[in-house]
Amino acid sequence: AQKVTQAQTEISVVEKEDVTLDCVYETRDTTYYLFWYKQPPSGELVFLIRRNSFDEQNEISGRYSWNFQKSTSSFNFTITASQVVDSAVYFCALSEGGSSNTGKLIFGQGTTLQVKP
Amino acid sequence: DAGITQSPRHKVTETGTPVTLRCHQTENHRYMYWYRQDPGHGLRLIHYSYGVKDTDKGEVSDGYSVSRSKTEDFLLTLESATSSQTSVYFCAIGTPLQETQYFGPGTRLLVL
Repeated sequence: AQKVTQAQTEISVVEKEDVTLDCVYETRDTTYYLFWYKQPPSGELVFLIRRNSFDEQNEISGRYSWNFQKSTSSFNFTITASQVVDSAVYFCALSEGGSSNTGKLIFGQGTTLQVKP
Repeated sequence: DAGITQSPRHKVTETGTPVTLRCHQTENHRYMYWYRQDPGHGLRLIHYSYGVKDTDKGEVSDGYSVSRSKTEDFLLTLESATSSQTSVYFCAIGTPLQETQYFGPGTRLLVL
């Protein structure tokens, strides 16, 4: 069965600190996709990134970076020089791939990040 | 932003009453999904659709039914609402090659 675990329920940092959100996943599929979504206090879900299981290259987008390691089944998310606007709930998610890809997402429990001024 | 709307955005109802939530898209995408969000559980899939009249169950489908008579609309029905169905409901659409899903604004449902 597929499963996503975000062990950090809540994280609190002071502005300008770096912070890493952990995500560990379980799947038997050889082809799969990993995602991160952001849910700000306003409640909408904002897509941040999608990676496929064959691409382990780290990705950087501005202050955001993602570290995908198949050896440890992890897909961690780092925010560099955090800002108050980064305060949100962050979800990691997994979907199956291959010919049976229906796009169904399995979500982790979410990590609430609070960035204090 | 993907063109997804949900209605109503907020609803209060009583136990035992039927409730229908509507998801409408303007993107003409094939796949649509209904999730519920609860504290400590993240989002969980209720039902999804892969075309008009084509639907399948998700992880938490008991007590829910869905219908899709047009590409743009995906309806979620609670046949007889219970307090355990108090939640925030999100609709999502999948991009054509399933690269990702975009979510609607959500519906807050309170069952008293």
